[in-house]
Amino acid sequence: DTAVSQTPKYLVTQMGNDKSIKCEQNLGHDTMYWYKQDSKKFLKIMFSYNNKELIINETVPNRFSPKSPDKAHLNLHINSLELGDSAVYFCASSQDAGHGNTIYFGEGSWLTVV
Amino acid sequence: QKEVEQNSGPLSVPEGAIASLNCTYSDRGSQSFFWYRQYSGKSPELIMSIYSNGDKEDGRFTAQLNKASQYVSLLIRDSQPSDSATYLCAVRVDSARQLTFGSGTQLTVLP
Repeated sequence: DTAVSQTPKYLVTQMGNDKSIKCEQNLGHDTMYWYKQDSKKFLKIMFSYNNKELIINETVPNRFSPKSPDKAHLNLHINSLELGDSAVYFCASSQDAGHGNTIYFGEGSWLTVV
Repeated sequence: QKEVEQNSGPLSVPEGAIASLNCTYSDRGSQSFFWYRQYSGKSPELIMSIYSNGDKEDGRFTAQLNKASQYVSLLIRDSQPSDSATYLCAVRVDSARQLTFGSGTQLTVLP
């Protein structure tokens, strides 16, 4: 069983479109994250939710909107896609937001905007 | 100044050698330190965590932490071609609720 699963794995779309990436974790964790990894492998936090509440909202365009219907799910919706949004988006989870907790990553969603 | 810095590499070592990966961080309030391994096209996976000064060993991997000098390193003994990957250093400040990652070091172990 996949602990953190995200769909779709690959997504190719045109500029200006709106798309969503879904994420689910079956680990019973309270905290979920969205990270973006660019072409240089730099992994940067975008959002974090703890038990459905937003706790981290880094400086990302407001075209990106996370939504957590319950603590096992954290979806990412992107409006008006731009070329620079092309990246790998990783969903992740941890037991809670405490400093010693291991973060487990999903397999990534490769987004290409053309 | 980047918060977490790593040499991007690539770092090449022969099979059986010791690979040494280094990471420096800027925030003295950092409390938790992690090394993740990421194979090409895959997600990061945790291989080591360290919280106090000194060495921590797990199999062929040893993490070393020096808070006074603000660096953390990872040693891989008896390197194998299967160790070829990008190694990401991650740091968490106690008051923060997130990990800050370095840009990773690409390691190639030559058979």
